[in-house]
Amino acid sequence: DTGVSQDPRHKITKRGQNVTFRCDPISEHNRLYWYRQTLGQGPEFLTYFQNEAQLEKSRLLSDRFSAERPKGSFSTLEIQRTEQGDSAMYLCASSPRSEETQYFGPGTRLLVL
Amino acid sequence: GQSLEQPSEVTAVEGAIVQINCTYQTSGFYGLSWYQQHDGGAPTFLSYNALDGLEETGRFSSFLSRSDSYGYLLLQELQMKDSASYFCAVGRDDKIIFGKGTRLHILP
Repeated sequence: DTGVSQDPRHKITKRGQNVTFRCDPISEHNRLYWYRQTLGQGPEFLTYFQNEAQLEKSRLLSDRFSAERPKGSFSTLEIQRTEQGDSAMYLCASSPRSEETQYFGPGTRLLVL
Repeated sequence: GQSLEQPSEVTAVEGAIVQINCTYQTSGFYGLSWYQQHDGGAPTFLSYNALDGLEETGRFSSFLSRSDSYGYLLLQELQMKDSASYFCAVGRDDKIIFGKGTRLHILP
């Protein structure tokens, strides 16, 4: 296995457009996490899945954000009606059992113009 | 709420030893983790302390004291490739809360 992959690696969009990102975790990992990171900050938790169940969503996350993991394998993160403040690196991570060791993907860098 | 404090920047000399401290205010957490992130890269896991004491992995060691709400990452025999940001993180309720990170600068 080559690790966690994310697609696309970069995305430039205009304000108001919708964007969708994909994450493919390490195959045997049942936990999958989404984070957002801005310059000079640590990764900020957005949401996480155990298998196909979305177990928690950050209270900081607006209703414009939605995530799915339909078959307990890959996951998608959609942002509707993007705003300039959504510009950030979106990171996906997977974990085999619990939260203490997470394996991160390369991230998707979003720029909203 | 939960918060973690770590220095924003640390500078050290190649070959030396450096310690990056982390203090936290949280309750019911499971353990303290450390992650390394190079510019433009993704965070990579370095170490995890579930219990008080020192964990050693090669040139890197991590320490946790729950009674003091304190931990640190110790990097020995510094190499230029260790220039990166280092994040402490606490695990709680099946997720990780990250600090803002410490930027480590290494001088030749």
